[in-house]
Amino acid sequence: DTEVTQTPKHLVMGMTNKKSLKCEQHMGHRAMYWYKQKAKKPPELMFVYSYEKLSINESVPSRFSPECPNSSLLNLHLHALQPEDSALYLCASSLAWAEETQYFGPGTRLLVL
Amino acid sequence: GENVEQHPSTLSVQEGDSAVIKCTYSDSASNYFPWYKQELGKGPQLIIDIRSNVGEKKDQRIAVTLNKTAKHFSLHIIETQPEDSAVYFCAGGDSNYQLIWGAGTKLIIKP
Repeated sequence: DTEVTQTPKHLVMGMTNKKSLKCEQHMGHRAMYWYKQKAKKPPELMFVYSYEKLSINESVPSRFSPECPNSSLLNLHLHALQPEDSALYLCASSLAWAEETQYFGPGTRLLVL
Repeated sequence: GENVEQHPSTLSVQEGDSAVIKCTYSDSASNYFPWYKQELGKGPQLIIDIRSNVGEKKDQRIAVTLNKTAKHFSLHIIETQPEDSAVYFCAGGDSNYQLIWGAGTKLIIKP
């Protein structure tokens, strides 16, 4: 298995909703990442987990809450989002944090109304 | 910190011709440079990468060259095909193991 999977593919939510994005990989990678990508822009790093511990939080608002239940799974919990949070949310993984080769999932397209 | 600049922002080439996308970086300590291809509605796909101890790397129709002295690296695609149409991003790995991304190049292959 050489891929990163993400669910759901699309998500529409209101500003008062709570939802979660899921990411899974079975490549034995020990680093996992969340990125946010706006249209026509490169991905922006949000969080890095290394060996299931949060290693980097790029000053992301608390309405985004990451969770790494085990080495294969990564979640992003969403609560009280704003319309400007609408974007493509990408998950990636790499063998280890210092191993820079990152492999991306297909993303979740999020629309906040 | 690292800064990566990418040019051009849009590149249109005739099918069968070659395409070249260029990136420059600022941090001389950077030693890893991947290229990603992103098709509409999909996540970025790693197509080739190069490390600082190598000057050139090839994989079928694509190649990457690195000039450490000038701090620039380039993606070369030969014999372009319609499926090469996509947005291409270069990136540099900084001293904190994070990827610093270029702004992207939209490659259009004209039939």
